[in-house]
Amino acid sequence: GAVVSQHPSRVICKSGTSVKIECRSLDFQATTMFWYRQFPKQSLMLMATSNEGSKATYEQGVEKDKFLINHASLTLSTLTVTSAHPEDSSFYICSATRLAGGNYNEQFFGPGTRLTVL
Amino acid sequence: DAKTTQPPSMDCAEGRAANLPCNHSTISGNEYVYWYRQIHSQGPQYIIHGLKNNETNEMASLIITEDRKSSTLILPHATLRDTAVYYCIALPLNDYKLSFGAGTTVTVRA
Repeated sequence: GAVVSQHPSRVICKSGTSVKIECRSLDFQATTMFWYRQFPKQSLMLMATSNEGSKATYEQGVEKDKFLINHASLTLSTLTVTSAHPEDSSFYICSATRLAGGNYNEQFFGPGTRLTVL
Repeated sequence: DAKTTQPPSMDCAEGRAANLPCNHSTISGNEYVYWYRQIHSQGPQYIIHGLKNNETNEMASLIITEDRKSSTLILPHATLRDTAVYYCIALPLNDYKLSFGAGTTVTVRA
């Protein structure tokens, strides 16, 4: 149980285009989902926290107009990188926590999405 | 949240126990010690967590010193699939912001 999927797993796009990444909790309901970014040879950095039905909370330094997050249901959150540029190339990872009964900090991570902007 | 300190890397032999240390000398009373790992090009995976008692699950054991200033994650019989970056994080139970430091890169060698 507690599986989180991401789609696509890998995407290559041209500079200036927008890319949408989906994060789904497959077998549980997630009140909260998180989006992380990881550059090569660096650790994960939290970008934003997404709660179902409300606006996402962004970490300091993360542009909310560039990284649009939508959490429309208890099993789906999407991250849209708008007007992507080469410096946005990174590994984007989502995670989710269970709705109830679980340890709040037992986050379940998706497999990640490798974004390359040409 | 308390800062944690881990060695940057360590090697261990396949089939042997791997003991991963973590220092969290400024940990506060309500902070748990969490361990996650990240295999190359994958999302992180939860391993175990504890407050002050030693914990064991199917993946690993967590030994926390009595003063809670340090802990050790034990992988009892390391396999090549355990090669990963291991992160030790101190966090209150009802907090959600996992702060991933540099972690320890563990390489299991045949």
